[in-house]
Amino acid sequence: DQQVKQNSPSLSVQEGRISILNCDYTNSMFDYFLWYKKYPAEGPTFLISISSIKDKNEDGRFTVFLNKSAKHLSLHIVPSQPGDSAVYFCAASGNRNTGNQFYFGTGTSLTVIP
Amino acid sequence: DVKVTQSSRYLVKRTGEKVFLECVQDMDHENMFWYRQDPGLGLRLIYFSYDVKMKEKGDIPEGYSVSREKKERFSLILESASTNQTSMYLCASRPRDRGPDTQYFGPGTRLTVL
Repeated sequence: DQQVKQNSPSLSVQEGRISILNCDYTNSMFDYFLWYKKYPAEGPTFLISISSIKDKNEDGRFTVFLNKSAKHLSLHIVPSQPGDSAVYFCAASGNRNTGNQFYFGTGTSLTVIP
Repeated sequence: DVKVTQSSRYLVKRTGEKVFLECVQDMDHENMFWYRQDPGLGLRLIYFSYDVKMKEKGDIPEGYSVSREKKERFSLILESASTNQTSMYLCASRPRDRGPDTQYFGPGTRLTVL
């Protein structure tokens, strides 16, 4: 049973435009959310996170929005660059520090077209 | 520069063989993890370890075992490989009492079981 879902397996965006990647979750006990980026032949690397006490977290060109009532989060990349082309995974956990388990989505492959 | 290394990038084995996947981290992290990544399923946790000789089952431990004899090394063992264990295997580590945003992944081992 997939607790974290990314319904779009792929997304193509023109360079300079906004990329919006979406993620839905089912477990209301999740309170910490992360986005990872994965290039081919490399392991995922941490990109940005958000705690449930916030609804937005920004880091440069990357912003994550959280809508707890809808159990939905999204990652915005503005402006998109060709180097952003990668697979993006969202992940969720019950607590930032406790629990070695967190749950990954299925991934969205982003292609930024020059 | 933090580093998680995995012994092989690609591995081809026959059904019924015993398979060892090795992971080494040089960051003195207490926690280590094994995931598998499959299309449409994202990353799923197989086993994790929070200390030497300690192990905990993740979501999908069936058909796998692990060994952690030294802090820096975490091995995943397929006792009798089957074709449904063909997958990308990712190892990760992070410090004790730190959140998942401090988790580092290895580059992955793509295992094919014929």
